[in-house]
Amino acid sequence: DAGITQSPRHKVTETGTPVTLRCHQTENHRYMYWYRQDPGHGLRLIHYSYGVKDTDKGEVSDGYSVSRSKTEDFLLTLESATSSQTSVYFCAISEGVGRATDTQYFGPGTRLTVL
Amino acid sequence: RKEVEQDPGPFNVPEGATVAFNCTYSNSASQSFFWYRQDCRKEPKLLMSVYSSGNEDGRFTAQLNRASQYISLLIRDSKLSDSATYLCVVNNQAGTALIFGKGTTLSVSS
Repeated sequence: DAGITQSPRHKVTETGTPVTLRCHQTENHRYMYWYRQDPGHGLRLIHYSYGVKDTDKGEVSDGYSVSRSKTEDFLLTLESATSSQTSVYFCAISEGVGRATDTQYFGPGTRLTVL
Repeated sequence: RKEVEQDPGPFNVPEGATVAFNCTYSNSASQSFFWYRQDCRKEPKLLMSVYSSGNEDGRFTAQLNRASQYISLLIRDSKLSDSATYLCVVNNQAGTALIFGKGTTLSVSS
């Protein structure tokens, strides 16, 4: 299995509070991604990174920001959490040899509940 | 047409059955195709990439039909452990990201 960890694995928070999720990889892969998965919607891309300090928006980026200061870490921040952000969040990585569409490997996920 | 569309199922089959899933995609220029498997409350895991000529991995066979823009997955001799949701994945029009279908649920019973 690819070396990807996510923390925390579960979190319950209240509306309006800031939340930061962490993804850590030991594979030295170039690309890192944040997805959310909700019933009826499948996996949807929030943001992705193609290198240190290089990030771009995905399909559902509103309300989220990201940062990547080291190759191995990709942080997802909800500046002011809302109930609509209750979801399962997955981090993924890919080697991305010149492309963003190589095979992706997923972390175990973070279950976030916003009350 | 949605970017990636799958029959959600569920497909309920007995052990030993052969089952096939289809997936259609909208971007005729797509170059990357995959099938992922996701167990309940777990992360998606790569099952197999899909190549133009079709490819096989044990009991699993993937086919790509570019002209009709669909991908198929055939599972032979189904096992209880094959019960999962199967996600069809295709790259987006810009070639910058992967688009995941909502998945097809398979339940194999004894």
